[in-house]
Amino acid sequence: DTAVSQTPKYLVTQMGNDKSIKCEQNLGHDTMYWYKQDSKKFLKIMFSYNNKELIINETVPNRFSPKSPDKAHLNLHINSLELGDSAVYFCASSQPSARSNTQYFGPGTRLTVL
Amino acid sequence: GNSVTQMEGPVTLSEEAFLTINCTYTATGYPSLFWYVQYPGEGLQLLLKATKADDKGSNKGFEATYRKETTSFHLEKGSVQVSDSAVYFCALGKAAGNKLTFGGGTRVLVKP
Repeated sequence: DTAVSQTPKYLVTQMGNDKSIKCEQNLGHDTMYWYKQDSKKFLKIMFSYNNKELIINETVPNRFSPKSPDKAHLNLHINSLELGDSAVYFCASSQPSARSNTQYFGPGTRLTVL
Repeated sequence: GNSVTQMEGPVTLSEEAFLTINCTYTATGYPSLFWYVQYPGEGLQLLLKATKADDKGSNKGFEATYRKETTSFHLEKGSVQVSDSAVYFCALGKAAGNKLTFGGGTRVLVKP
């Protein structure tokens, strides 16, 4: 009964490759997010989708392309991987209201670019 | 813009010691405030939250009070256990699908 799941958990690849990370949530939430956690544990938002529509797109290289086939899924495709892309990527989901925006996180995908 | 500042770690404590992790924020309007915890090798788990001034969030013996006058949301626990060793993140969020803004995280190590 995992709430927010991500695959794969670990991803090791060579520079220049293209890879995808998948995220699914079974909480019935309308909004999903991708965050990046760097080696110093700093977390930063990358993208957010609400009901399949992009609503947040921070300053992220256009090699990163999110796709939301339905509101329960948000995938992240990365082209031409670079060493600096090595990080842990977290997916999250929430059901925002006027009072709160509690976000629930997946277990993370550790990407290592060699 | 919004920002969150929390004390740098690592914080090393003995079991049963008192834990405080300071967190202050800068934001327009009335954000919600959160503490998330990341255990080694795992994702982020929501620890507690508060949605308005003077609210106190609590969970698993941890507490934090939303202080608007000092723009703070300090995390406290009266008696820590080895199992509390983790990285703790303070975060703020606005409603309606907006992003969370995180502090830099504080690593806590509890020794037996």
